Amino acid sequence: DAGVIQSPRHEVTEMGQEVTLRCKPISGHDYLFWYRQTMMRGLELLIYFNNNVPIDDSGMPEDRFSAKMPNASFSTLKIQPSEPRDSAVYFCASSLQRRKLFFGSGTQLSVL
Amino acid sequence: GQQLNQSPQSMFIQEGEDVSMNCTSSSIFNTWLWYKQDPGEGPVLLIALYKAGELTSNGRLTAQFGITRKDSFLNISASIPSDVGIYFCAGANTGANSKLTFGKGITLSVRP
Repeated sequence: DAGVIQSPRHEVTEMGQEVTLRCKPISGHDYLFWYRQTMMRGLELLIYFNNNVPIDDSGMPEDRFSAKMPNASFSTLKIQPSEPRDSAVYFCASSLQRRKLFFGSGTQLSVL
Repeated sequence: GQQLNQSPQSMFIQEGEDVSMNCTSSSIFNTWLWYKQDPGEGPVLLIALYKAGELTSNGRLTAQFGITRKDSFLNISASIPSDVGIYFCAGANTGANSKLTFGKGITLSVRP
C-alpha cells in the first residue's frame, strides 16, 4: 500500500513568492495533519482535518499560511507571501485512529 | 501547554550495546507513542502504548508506559548501525480535541 505522498520533496523559492505544498493521505484515513519541523522548535502541529473539515488551526503561525482539503485524497498547505523564517521541513501525516499517525517523507522548504 | 522532555539531545553508543531513552511530562497522558526518523524521511511509528504499566516489544525494541502516566521508556537491545536516527516520544489523551504532543527527539549515533 502507498504511504502518505508529499510533493515536492524540495522547494527553493525567493522571499515573497507563493509556495504550495501538496499531500495525498493514505486511502481510508479520516484524519490529516500538517506539521513543521525545525531544529529550534522540533515538530509543530500546524493544522489538522477530520473528514476533510479543518478542526484545529491554532498552530498556523500567521495569516500567510492557509490549508485546504477539498477531498479525502488531497490537501494543500499554502504560504503567501513566503519569508526566510518559513524555511523548514513540512510534513503531512494521516491516521485512522487519531493518535497513530503515518507521516510522509516531507517537503524541505528553503526561502531565500 | 503540555511539554515532553527528552534528554540528552544526542547519544553515542557502540554497535552491539543496549541503549535506553526516556521521556517525561509534567502532565498525564493515556497514550504514548515512540517514533523513529531516518535522515531525509518522516517519522515512522515504532511502538504504541495505551495502558499504564504496559510493556510492549517490537523486535529489539521494548517500550514501557510509566505507572505514573507521566513518563515512558524505550530500550534498544544489541544496537546495529541502522538504528541511527532521531527517536521521538509522543503523548496524547482521549477527547475530541486531543492532540499528539511530540518531544524534541534524541539523536542516536552507533559506532561500528
